[in-house]
This record gives sequence, C-alpha cells and structure tokens, in this order.
Amino acid sequence: TQLLEQSPQFLSIQEGENLTVYCNSSSVFSSLQWYRQEPGEGPVLLVTVVTGGEVKKLKRLTFQFGDARKDSSLHITAAQTGDTGLYLCAGAGGIYGGSQGNLIFGKGTKLSVKP
Amino acid sequence: NAGVTQTPKFRILKIGQSMTLQCTQDMNHNYMYWYRQDPGMGLKLIYYSVGAGITDKGEVPNGYNVSRSTTEDFPLRLELAAPSQTSVYFCASSYHGGGYNEQFFGPGTRLTVL
Repeated sequence: TQLLEQSPQFLSIQEGENLTVYCNSSSVFSSLQWYRQEPGEGPVLLVTVVTGGEVKKLKRLTFQFGDARKDSSLHITAAQTGDTGLYLCAGAGGIYGGSQGNLIFGKGTKLSVKP
Repeated sequence: NAGVTQTPKFRILKIGQSMTLQCTQDMNHNYMYWYRQDPGMGLKLIYYSVGAGITDKGEVPNGYNVSRSTTEDFPLRLELAAPSQTSVYFCASSYHGGGYNEQFFGPGTRLTVL
C-alpha cells in the first residue's frame, strides 16, 4: 500500500512552461515536506508545510497543503533546466509514521526540463 | 562542516558476503536514519536512532543491523548479502525527530549484490 501517491510519475517539459505536481493520501499528516533529488545525490529539503490550507513560496516554486492535510501540490512557474530532478513528498505524524513521527515518502515525480 | 558523509560510494558484493556501510555526521544531530531507494520506489526507512545507544526498526529492517555508539556515527551492517539488497542506501540526520525538522542526507552508497 502506497500511502503517499505522487503524480505524474514522469514529466518532460520545455523551459519556460509552468507545471504542477501532486502528492495525495487518504491519511492525515501533521506536516508534509517536499525534497528535490538530483542524480547521484541525496534529497535536499525544499519546504515544510504544517497548517491546512497553507501556501509557501520559494522563488518560482509554490507549495500548498490541502485544507484537510491529506494532500499537497507543487507548482513551478517558468521552469528552468536547473529545476530538473526527482521531487519527493514526505509526510510525518500520520498513523503510519510511528511513535517518532518518521517520514513516509512518496515514489516521486521525475521532472525533465529541456532547453 | 561536511554534513553527512557516507562510505563507500559504490560497492559490488557477492551473495552471502557481509559489509558495513559507514555514515558520519558533524552537525551534532540526535536523530539518524538509514533509507534504501529502489528505482521508482521512493525511500524506505530501514533503521533509525534517536541518540547514542538507542536504535529502532523502520519499515524494512530484515537483513540489516545497526549500532549507534557515538552521536556522530551510525553504521549499517549487511549480513549474508542477497540480490534483493541491491539498492542505493542513504543515511540522514536531523536535530529533532518528527516531520517539522529538516533531514540532511548523505550522497548515498550504490550497492550491487551479484
């Protein structure tokens, strides 16, 4: 059972286009994090969202946490080749996170931005 | 400040061999984690530690062992390697547990078991 479903699994776009990727669950999480992973490296945290309905912006990236804290989205405006990578969402504090609130990761969205 | 370092970067093992994946962090973090990442499968938690001398199982602990004798080091031991353990292994650390704190990841160890 995949507790966090990410879609799409793959996305290939041209530089300058906008895109949205999704992270959905049937479980409620107390917080949700987004990481970006480049080939041959470990994931790097982009943002943590905590409050239902919360919107956070990081330059051209906009993150939203669903009102019910079960889903999240990442929107990139005017994508650049440097945005290429694997985007992972990770939820914490849900019923599957264990007593320590360990992170549960989705499978990721692999984004390729072509020049 | 090196962050989280892992050695080796690559390793090929034969079935039945054993090895230890090393992980060290210099951020004085209490929490440390071991994940495995299989193609298209995201990250799965193998073991974690909330401080020196304290470890606990994650989602996929079978075939692995860990120890945490110091705050800095969190080695992962593979006994009797099997092809199913072919994966990329990531070590991570965080100051606090839970989902409110950033996990810092190492660069990974790519392991192949033949």
